[in-house]
Amino acid sequence: AQRVTQAQTEISVVEKEDVTLDCVYETRDTTYYLFWYKQPPSGELVFLIRRNSFDEQNEISGRYSWNFQKSTSSFNFTITASQVVDSAVYFCALYAGGYQKVTFGTGTKLQVIP
Amino acid sequence: SQTIHQWPATLVQPVGSPLSLECTVEGTSNPNLYWYRQAAGRGLQLLFYSVGIGQISSEVPQNLSASRPQDRQFILSSKKLLLSDSGFYLCAWNEGEEYGYTFGSGTRLTVV
Repeated sequence: AQRVTQAQTEISVVEKEDVTLDCVYETRDTTYYLFWYKQPPSGELVFLIRRNSFDEQNEISGRYSWNFQKSTSSFNFTITASQVVDSAVYFCALYAGGYQKVTFGTGTKLQVIP
Repeated sequence: SQTIHQWPATLVQPVGSPLSLECTVEGTSNPNLYWYRQAAGRGLQLLFYSVGIGQISSEVPQNLSASRPQDRQFILSSKKLLLSDSGFYLCAWNEGEEYGYTFGSGTRLTVV
């Protein structure tokens, strides 16, 4: 079985603050893929990043960065210098192969206050 | 490039009425297609997926059905809507689960 836990239900930060969204996953498979999606108020889910289990390098894309740590089964997402446009629900997801489907976390609602 | 279209964007339907939501993908062949529902609590629930024409797998037994009459067309239907069918419906596609999903813009369905 696979599971994704996003313990933070809602986070509020003031604009320009840094914020980290936590994601903890569970799987018995050694090959798996992790994803982050952003859902702005308009509703459409936007793909942000994909990471496979053999690549533990952290990734940075502009103000976004991702910290993948297999030792703690975490794939955390940090937004640096947050902006109001970052306000959205963010989903972490896991795919561990075989006949399983992608498992989504319950999402973290981020509100960036101007 | 690949694009996914989903319509309508919003829909208000009375209880007991039929439903048809359509999703089409352009720029790719033989995609995997998915229908997800998101209830008010934000969680994403996989309803149906299809790996080819006429091949539909249902994840959750319910009042809905899906069909794939053409390679890049995926339809979500109901003969009689229930109040509990209200929610945000998202179509998605990929070329394999390991690539993640590309989602459509969604349909917000309110059953009254």
